[in-house]
Amino acid sequence: KAGVTQTPRYLIKTRGQQVTLSCSPISGHRSVSWYQQTPGQGLQFLFEYFSETQRNKGNFPGRFSGRQFSNSRSEMNVSTLELGDSALYLCASSLVGTVRSYNSPLHFGNGTRLTVT
Amino acid sequence: KQEVTQIPAALSVPEGENLVLNCSFTDSAIYNLQWFRQDPGKGLTSLLLIQSSQREQTSGRLNASLDKSSGRSTLYIAASQPGDSATYLCAVPGSAPGAGSYQLTFGKGTKLSVIP
Repeated sequence: KAGVTQTPRYLIKTRGQQVTLSCSPISGHRSVSWYQQTPGQGLQFLFEYFSETQRNKGNFPGRFSGRQFSNSRSEMNVSTLELGDSALYLCASSLVGTVRSYNSPLHFGNGTRLTVT
Repeated sequence: KQEVTQIPAALSVPEGENLVLNCSFTDSAIYNLQWFRQDPGKGLTSLLLIQSSQREQTSGRLNASLDKSSGRSTLYIAASQPGDSATYLCAVPGSAPGAGSYQLTFGKGTKLSVIP
C-alpha cells in the first residue's frame, strides 16, 4: 500500500511569490493535516481537512490556506512568501477520526522543504 | 493552550541499555497521545497511539504509558539498538485559537543516540 506522497520534495522561491504544495494521502484515508517544521519552533499544526472541509485550524496567518479534493488529495498554498516561511512542510493522513480524537495512527509523508530567498 | 514538554532534549546510551523518554502536557482533557520517531530529513513514523481510556500500549520493544491525571506519558525502549537512533516526539490534541477548533501539539522531541 502506497504511503503518503508529497510533491515536490524541494522548492526554492523568492520573497513575495506564492507556492502550492501537494499531498496524496494513503488510499481510503479521509483526514489530511498539514504541519510546518522549523528548528526554532519545532512542529506546528497548520490545518486539517476531512471530506473536503476544513475541520481544524492552527494559529497561522491567512497567507496559509489549503483545500481538499473529492479524492482526498490536498494542497496547501502560501501567498506572499516571507523568509520565515522557510521550513519543512509535512502532511499526514489518518483513517479514522480527526485531530481531536484520532482512533488510528497518523501517517506522515517525507515533506516538502521550502526555501525562501 | 496545550503545551508539551519532552525531557531530556538529547540522550546518548550504549547499545543494549533500556531507556525512558518523558513527555508532559498541561491540558489533561485529551482523547489520545501519540509517540513518533523522526529520522533526519524524513517525515514522522507513528510508534504508538494511546487512547485516553488506556494506560499503556506495547509494540515490540516499545512500551508507552499514559497518566492523564498527572499530564505525563513515558516511552520505554528495551534493549536499545543503533537503529533506534532518531528523534522521538510526542503529540497531544488541544484547543486551537479558533472557536471550536483543535490542533495537534508536539513536543520539541528527544534526540536519541545509541552507541554500538
